[in-house]
Amino acid sequence: GQQLNQSPQSMFIQEGEDVSMNCTSSSIFNTWLWYKQDPGEGPVLLIALYKAGELTSNGRLTAQFGITRKDSFLNISASIPSDVGIYFCAGLGHYGGATNKLIFGTGTLLAVQP
Amino acid sequence: DGGITQSPKYLFRKEGQNVTLSCEQNLNHDAMYWYRQDPGQGLRLIYYSQIVNDFQKGDIAEGYSVSREKKESFPLTVTSAQKNPTAFYLCASSNPQRGETQYFGPGTRLLVL
Repeated sequence: GQQLNQSPQSMFIQEGEDVSMNCTSSSIFNTWLWYKQDPGEGPVLLIALYKAGELTSNGRLTAQFGITRKDSFLNISASIPSDVGIYFCAGLGHYGGATNKLIFGTGTLLAVQP
Repeated sequence: DGGITQSPKYLFRKEGQNVTLSCEQNLNHDAMYWYRQDPGQGLRLIYYSQIVNDFQKGDIAEGYSVSREKKESFPLTVTSAQKNPTAFYLCASSNPQRGETQYFGPGTRLLVL
């Protein structure tokens, strides 16, 4: 199955630092989603992007849908300890036919040192 | 509260045994999905259903089966044919008419004894 290229794989930062992560693909997507997953829990939707070039914020989080439709990034400003978790990007693509399916990135593990 | 529930939180399976994982949603979503997550990896699609009484295989359907008799429910059976079933299983649902954004349940961790 397809997966998006997500980087970095992991980040270890100090509280208060800003964080940036991104996803790239060889395929064009019409929708980009960013999720956060806490250990032992299901992913929670953070931001949804529906238009190329769109820049959307949710509190300290900002995400952008790349102009080429093949990439997206997520920024977290002034990180806090509860930002710890795994962040996944997901793109809406075609899977084995006409129906659109979400394709997930491999995840970025974020650790925040208080 | 609207949402997706999965049960049980933890499930133990003996060799050669079939087990069924429950997924229920009260979001009135048409589409439901099952994913498998292994340590250090992203989510892989097992099965999905766009509408009641219809479902399709995902990337890794071998050793799994599903049913969609009701809009609210999409149970997943891990059969004895699945040789490496230990994983974290996630159910999701979406309303395709509203942009395909998927919402996830809390997950079920399956362990083999």
